[in-house]
Amino acid sequence: SQTIHQWPATLVQPVGSPLSLECTVEGTSNPNLYWYRQAAGRGLQLLFYSVGIGQISSEVPQNLSASRPQDRQFILSSKKLLLSDSGFYLCAWSYRRVSADTQYFGPGTRLTVL
Amino acid sequence: AQSVAQPEDQVNVAEGNPLTVKCTYSVSGNPYLFWYVQYPNRGLQFLLKYITGDNLVKGSYGFEAEFNKSQTSFHLKKPSALVSDSALYFCAVRDSRGYSTLTFGKGTMLLVSP
Repeated sequence: SQTIHQWPATLVQPVGSPLSLECTVEGTSNPNLYWYRQAAGRGLQLLFYSVGIGQISSEVPQNLSASRPQDRQFILSSKKLLLSDSGFYLCAWSYRRVSADTQYFGPGTRLTVL
Repeated sequence: AQSVAQPEDQVNVAEGNPLTVKCTYSVSGNPYLFWYVQYPNRGLQFLLKYITGDNLVKGSYGFEAEFNKSQTSFHLKKPSALVSDSALYFCAVRDSRGYSTLTFGKGTMLLVSP
């Protein structure tokens, strides 16, 4: 069966510090991968998605970036965090070759920027 | 463009009573529709989806949803609510034509009282 992992689970960082969040998927190959942010107001915002190694699409311009160095690894980064980057970050995966693809979510990372 | 609306921020229901969480959508082509549930500080869990066929879709934990094309709705229902159903529920849509990412509603908090 497929499993998606995210770490760390919780992170507290000062403003201006760098960020690296990691997401890995087990039990499947060539997945589509997604990064979402959920602010306190509860809505989900798609940040990035990837259909393959090195292929990243950005949905929202901001000080975050994403990379996919391996097929089942998706990393969210920032060089300098802002207060507004606080939130709950969710990674998700879906089958690439299935059109009606369900997205399956990881457990999330709670980021607080102080 | 595609969009989804969840008109209720919160739904309150007594345990044992039927529940309905409302969702309406807008897409250019035919829709793929999804419901997810989120418990506090957790990732989203997939409940059910409509792709084609029978308008009544059955999912996990006794939930079901009815696709109504004329009303562009996909309401989530359960015949008898449990206190443990209390959570945040998200409706999501994507157009079946071509490739597009999921668009999520803002979420509806379901509170089931004992």
